[in-house]
Amino acid sequence: NAGVTQTPKFQVLKTGQSMTLQCAQDMNHEYMSWYRQDPGMGLRLIHYSVGAGITDQGEVPNGYNVSRSTTEDFPLRLLSAAPSQTSVYFCASSRLAGGTYEQYFGPGTRLTVT
Amino acid sequence: GIQVEQSPPDLILQEGANSTLRCNFSDSVNNLQWFHQNPWGQLINLFYIPSGTKQNGRLSATTVATERYSLLYISSSQTTDSGVYFCAVKPMDSNYQLIWGAGTKLIIKP
Repeated sequence: NAGVTQTPKFQVLKTGQSMTLQCAQDMNHEYMSWYRQDPGMGLRLIHYSVGAGITDQGEVPNGYNVSRSTTEDFPLRLLSAAPSQTSVYFCASSRLAGGTYEQYFGPGTRLTVT
Repeated sequence: GIQVEQSPPDLILQEGANSTLRCNFSDSVNNLQWFHQNPWGQLINLFYIPSGTKQNGRLSATTVATERYSLLYISSSQTTDSGVYFCAVKPMDSNYQLIWGAGTKLIIKP
């Protein structure tokens, strides 16, 4: 089991550029989510999905899009990068059946927008 | 919304010391997890502990759900324990979202 994988590990963008952060899990988890972590803070939820074809907004969704075409993959798209999106991005997944909701995290993507 | 408070915010200890980290939360939860974020930024699951007590080696955790707090104990600290320890909770009425505390930054000196 690779668990939750994310690519790339590091990325530098210029203001206005777009890009996609990739996230995949091989644990057949129904729930997947994207968080961002700003310096000295805990994580904040951007978007989440409870299954293929179903997505919803979290606490800080503006400037980001997601889609969930398969159980395994949950890409995060930055439409027009802004310096305020400089952050570390974490993808997470969880089973929903059984009611435990224990979440597993990927290694993170460190994004800098100049 | 639910508030999650961690204390202390910073802790500096000598190798071999014991420590207790606290997480208070303001509403009922059905998930509580402790994570260690190492100096390279990686998040490591320590415990899934919505209630009760668990132990894993030198680490143990206790959650008293009725009193809305959780404690993380680290015994015989090692320099590799350095990093930030986060508590995250899922409120009972939430949409699966984990709400995170601000963390406790732990530095273990050799």
